[in-house]
Amino acid sequence: KNQVEQSPQSLIILEGKNCTLQCNYTVSPFSNLRWYKQDTGRGPVSLTIMTFSENTKSNGRYTATLDADTKQSSLHITASQLSDSASYICVVIPVGGSQGNLIFGKGTKLSVKP
Amino acid sequence: ETGVTQSPTHLIKTRGQQVTLRCSSQSGHNTVSWYQQALGQGPQFIFQYYREEENGRGNFPPRFSGLQFPNYSSELNVNALELDDSALYLCASSLALGPYEQYFGPGTRLTVT
Repeated sequence: KNQVEQSPQSLIILEGKNCTLQCNYTVSPFSNLRWYKQDTGRGPVSLTIMTFSENTKSNGRYTATLDADTKQSSLHITASQLSDSASYICVVIPVGGSQGNLIFGKGTKLSVKP
Repeated sequence: ETGVTQSPTHLIKTRGQQVTLRCSSQSGHNTVSWYQQALGQGPQFIFQYYREEENGRGNFPPRFSGLQFPNYSSELNVNALELDDSALYLCASSLALGPYEQYFGPGTRLTVT
């Protein structure tokens, strides 16, 4: 069964610190992997999209990496800000899949404290 | 903001009632997908509409139904509401079928009592 597992489930860090969120997946083959940021009670917003052949993608202070051999992705947040407090969701699209085949992780809830 | 709007933002219904949620897609997008997100969970795919036709459905019972209109806006209807239907309902629009970028609306929070 295609799955996307994220860790940790939740994380608390101090403002200004860096953190790394993990995503392990069993979806294979896949066309692309996405990281979304979701504020509480709001819709997800795309941070990065990587195809299976890409190793890294940056968006400001957010950097996503992908290791297709180990089926792992990570999202690194640099110099965290209070506004980074949100859930971060890893999403994998299988090859040939449309939006309906998106496989979502449960997310990591990040809290940034002053 | 993604340009995708949903209404209402919050809704409270009682068990057995029916509800209609609405979504306006981003300009130029002809594909809309609906998701249910329970608290602490990732979104679960309900169904997708492309050019007014249903194009794929997740593991949801028939009492979840939808429509897409000629302007590509969409509705999600849920009949005979159950307590477990309480969730955030998200719609997402994209340019077309295929692995295009999805743009999510802010969601509708449905509470069933």
